[in-house]
Amino acid sequence: AQTVTQSQPEMSVQEAETVTLSCTYDTSESDYYLFWYKQPPSRQMILVIRQEAYKQQNATENRFSVNFQKAAKSFSLKISDSQLGDAAMYFCAYRSLQGAQKLVFGQGTRLTINP
Amino acid sequence: NAGVTQTPKFRILKIGQSMTLQCAQDMNHNYMYWYRQDPGMGLKLIYYSVGAGITDKGEVPNGYNVSRSTTEDFPLRLELAAPSQTSVYFCASTTAGGASSYNEQFFGPGTRLTVL
Repeated sequence: AQTVTQSQPEMSVQEAETVTLSCTYDTSESDYYLFWYKQPPSRQMILVIRQEAYKQQNATENRFSVNFQKAAKSFSLKISDSQLGDAAMYFCAYRSLQGAQKLVFGQGTRLTINP
Repeated sequence: NAGVTQTPKFRILKIGQSMTLQCAQDMNHNYMYWYRQDPGMGLKLIYYSVGAGITDKGEVPNGYNVSRSTTEDFPLRLELAAPSQTSVYFCASTTAGGASSYNEQFFGPGTRLTVL
């Protein structure tokens, strides 16, 4: 079974600075998807970014980018120019290419933005 | 489209009571899921369904039951509620595609359940 680990329960950053959230995962599969989700206080789950394991190029979405290290099974999220609206819980998630597209989530990192 | 809807938003149950959490989607998605999120933790899969009449257990199914009689609805039943079931419950859905195709999983707003 796959597992996802986020070792940083909490992180904080000054507004306009850059922060990196860490995620590691364990799998024996060679192809899969990885995701970062944002959960603001409203509880809504919002997809931030996704990465296909067969793509070597790191995914980027505006101020959000990932550092995908397949051999190390590492998948970190970098948030540039942090904004107050980025404050939330962030979850890393894994999805196998086999089966019913089930998601396996990490424990989450609570990100605080200091004005 | 309303997307994925869940009712109720909040509920307090007494130990031993039963209830059904409702989930509906209007996107004609084949795949539907129930996750629970304990305080300060990530989401864990309770049950999932790949189509009407087909359900299967996830990581934490004990104490729950599901049914899927229509494509749109996927209710989650709690029998004999226990304090350990205090959690936020999320329903999600996605379209069936090839295993290697990307289909976004859409989440409902969640139901906060407290068992006292």
